[in-house]
Amino acid sequence: AQSVTQPDIHITVSEGASLELRCNYSYGATPYLFWYVQSPGQGLQLLLKYFSGDTLVQGIKGFEAEFKRSQSSFNLRKPSVHWSDAAEYFCAVRGNAGNMLTFGGGTRLMVKP
Amino acid sequence: NAGVTQTPKFRVLKTGQSMTLLCAQDMNHEYMYWYRQDPGMGLRLIHYSVGEGTTAKGEVPDGYNVSRLKKQNFLLGLESAAPSQTSVYFCASSYGPDWGYGYTFGSGTRLTVV
Repeated sequence: AQSVTQPDIHITVSEGASLELRCNYSYGATPYLFWYVQSPGQGLQLLLKYFSGDTLVQGIKGFEAEFKRSQSSFNLRKPSVHWSDAAEYFCAVRGNAGNMLTFGGGTRLMVKP
Repeated sequence: NAGVTQTPKFRVLKTGQSMTLLCAQDMNHEYMYWYRQDPGMGLRLIHYSVGEGTTAKGEVPDGYNVSRLKKQNFLLGLESAAPSQTSVYFCASSYGPDWGYGYTFGSGTRLTVV
């Protein structure tokens, strides 16, 4: 069965600083990978996804992620964080059974002024 | 606006009470899902449906039942609520097997069982 690990539960960065959120997955075949963002009191919104092809994918809100098969990773990055980026971020992998997504435990991002 | 609507948004139940959470989507999605979200555990799949009239168990199905009588609606039932079911519940939907756009999520239902 597939699994996703987000090693960092909380991350705090200063506004304007760069950001990298880590995601490691376990899946036997070529994975379909996703990053979602959840603002306080809201549902999850899709940031970006990787299915195949170019391993660097661009998403909304200036985010990007890089798929590295050799490291089983799909880290999320942003060059310059804005205060509005404070939220919880979830990495997910799609498994074999139907369209089921397995989510990581999430990383809560706090942004300092 | 198109999307996934969950009702109610908040609910407090006493142990042993029952309730039904409603999820409605207007995007003609085939697949629908119920997740629960608990701190540090991410989202865990409770039940899902791959089409009208079908349901299947997810990772944490015990204590819950579901029904998909209409394509646009997916109901989650708690027959006898327990404090361990205190959580935030999210419904989501997606296209069929050839989908490529991820899930569309509702805004959640915060349930407290006392």
